[in-house]
Amino acid sequence: AQKITQTQPGMFVQEKEAVTLDCTYDTSDQSYGLFWYKQPSSGEMIFLIYQGSYDEQNATEGRYSLNFQKARKSANLVISASQLGDSAMYFCAMRGSNTGNQFYFGTGTSLTVIP
Amino acid sequence: DAGVTQSPTHLIKTRGQHVTLRCSPISGHKSVSWYQQVLGQGPQFIFQYYEKEERGRGNFPDRFSARQFPNYSSELNVNALLLGDSALYLCASSLVARGRDTEAFFGQGTRLTVV
Repeated sequence: AQKITQTQPGMFVQEKEAVTLDCTYDTSDQSYGLFWYKQPSSGEMIFLIYQGSYDEQNATEGRYSLNFQKARKSANLVISASQLGDSAMYFCAMRGSNTGNQFYFGTGTSLTVIP
Repeated sequence: DAGVTQSPTHLIKTRGQHVTLRCSPISGHKSVSWYQQVLGQGPQFIFQYYEKEERGRGNFPDRFSARQFPNYSSELNVNALLLGDSALYLCASSLVARGRDTEAFFGQGTRLTVV
């Protein structure tokens, strides 16, 4: 079974500061991918970053980085230099090599950037 | 290039009615997946179609059905609507059917309200 847990329903961060959004996962797959998506109030899910289970280096995409700790089954998203436009819902998701194209999503974290 | 487009963007239906939601994937993408996102939750997988064939089905009742057309667009049908079907319905397209590292691109969703 696949499960994603996001324990922070809401987070606040000062503009220009860094923030970490937590994500833990559980899977029986040996090979899997971890994704973070941003969902603004408009509803669209916007892809941010991807980490493969066999990738030895943490993924980075601009201001986004993924702190991947495989032994702890965690895949935390770090947003550096927060901007007002970063205010949105953030979802951690996983897809396993044996589960086709199906994403398993967490319940999300609402991030508010304070000016 | 156009992204994933969904129609309609908003819809209000009465209990017991039927609804059809539509999705056009990114050009060249052959896989379409449907997700239901209830308020306050992460998206839940409903269906995946690839090359017009169903490749995956989530834990949803038979009232939910879908199909994919030769141009890879897709329809999601829901019969005998219940109040609990009120949700944001998201369509995601990807190049291939499976793979842990296959990125999915989401549309802006259809907000269905059942009254």
